[in-house]
Amino acid sequence: ETGVTQTPRHLVMGMTNKKSLKCEQHLGHNAMYWYKQSAKKPLELMFVYNFKEQTENNSVPSRFSPECPNSSHLFLHLHTLQPEDSALYLCASSQGGGSQETQYFGPGTRLLVL
Amino acid sequence: AQTVTQSQPEMSVQEAETVTLSCTYDTSESNYYLFWYKQPPSRQMILVIRQEAYKQQNATENRFSVNFQKAAKSFSLKISDSQLGDTAMYFCAFMRETSGSRLTFGEGTQLTVNP
Repeated sequence: ETGVTQTPRHLVMGMTNKKSLKCEQHLGHNAMYWYKQSAKKPLELMFVYNFKEQTENNSVPSRFSPECPNSSHLFLHLHTLQPEDSALYLCASSQGGGSQETQYFGPGTRLLVL
Repeated sequence: AQTVTQSQPEMSVQEAETVTLSCTYDTSESNYYLFWYKQPPSRQMILVIRQEAYKQQNATENRFSVNFQKAAKSFSLKISDSQLGDTAMYFCAFMRETSGSRLTFGEGTQLTVNP
């Protein structure tokens, strides 16, 4: 265990559904990240939050909507997804405030869009 | 833009033997950080080892060590005395000093340790 938890671990949803992924870190970190991991592709950074402020949106479609209510929690709201959005979604956290920081990952949510 | 290349999609090794995973990267930066992450079948991504580019000494963590060749932009991971629990996908990752913690990952190498 790395101190970063994600729920649910598995999710199946239709293209018209709305669901949310949750991430929580117990490490006292101030930066949190969402990554997408698709088969045969490198991890893709989606969003970065630093001290609850979004500092990076890596050209992610608007059907993915992040929310960071505090430094310990990060959500990814999903709506009107496409089958190609099926992937493993990983959350990570780091100390926050600058670069050169090691990121610690959660176990991921395996998402299947039908 | 930085790129990270892992040219070995799959590797296997016998238990107790040594294996080396390759990673090369492309950057014009002089200061940066390199990482190896391990992702076992349980899916939790775990940091294995980290190297600062300004340090000439290769990082070591127990059975894991790196061969960092800055001029060649090479960052290989050596696993000694391989154990069954080392079976996992291994990702090499690059972070610029000024990137605000943005990681660029390679495609990964699936390592299987055979009994």
